[in-house]
Amino acid sequence: GAGVSQSPRYKVAKRGQDVALRCDPISGHVSLFWYQQALGQGPEFLTYFQNEAQLDKSGLPSDRFFAERPEGSVSTLKIQRTQQEDSAVYLCASSSQGGSGRSTDTQYFGPGTRLTVL
Amino acid sequence: GNSVTQMEGPVTLSEEAFLTINCTYTATGYPSLFWYVQYPGEGLQLLLKATKADDKGSNKGFEATYRKETTSFHLEKGSVQVSDSAVYFCALRPGRDMRFGAGTRLTVKP
Repeated sequence: GAGVSQSPRYKVAKRGQDVALRCDPISGHVSLFWYQQALGQGPEFLTYFQNEAQLDKSGLPSDRFFAERPEGSVSTLKIQRTQQEDSAVYLCASSSQGGSGRSTDTQYFGPGTRLTVL
Repeated sequence: GNSVTQMEGPVTLSEEAFLTINCTYTATGYPSLFWYVQYPGEGLQLLLKATKADDKGSNKGFEATYRKETTSFHLEKGSVQVSDSAVYFCALRPGRDMRFGAGTRLTVKP
């Protein structure tokens, strides 16, 4: 596709429910990132995939958060037993390059999924 | 650690005014530096970037220079337009992931 797409755009969940957020990166992009953006704040890194391999999950706030990218393209971020503090916009980004260490390539962001936990 | 501090907002300017949004960073090594913009109801868009010291990124009349000696990457525009109203994020990329500032909301009035 022309850009990164995410679905759903809005999700309302009752506390304790499980949710799944989808990301479709730009076709052919090797790297995929998930970020969490709380209201009035900048995005914070959650996890990173290079193709299907999850190389960094250091930003996931708890073991209730799980991400996968089984075929190296579409990714799903799953949050189990949602809590009110999980309310945020979840952003997905992709970039064309992989590799480790310092990177200069551009990350392209999707429109985000706004999750509200009641 | 790696972090970004940017000027708190909100910033309100009249059309054609000069814009500066300050950004300073703390980093180990030599990160790439970015400015992203988020228009109302839209996702983050890359505005400009610089990958090494003394590089100047520019786009749409905005520019920022990577200053290693002052660890800064201030965003400037000589004459803002109403359509520039948005939230601006400074970010650094020390490795794979991005580290963002808290964002500065700019409102330009006619």
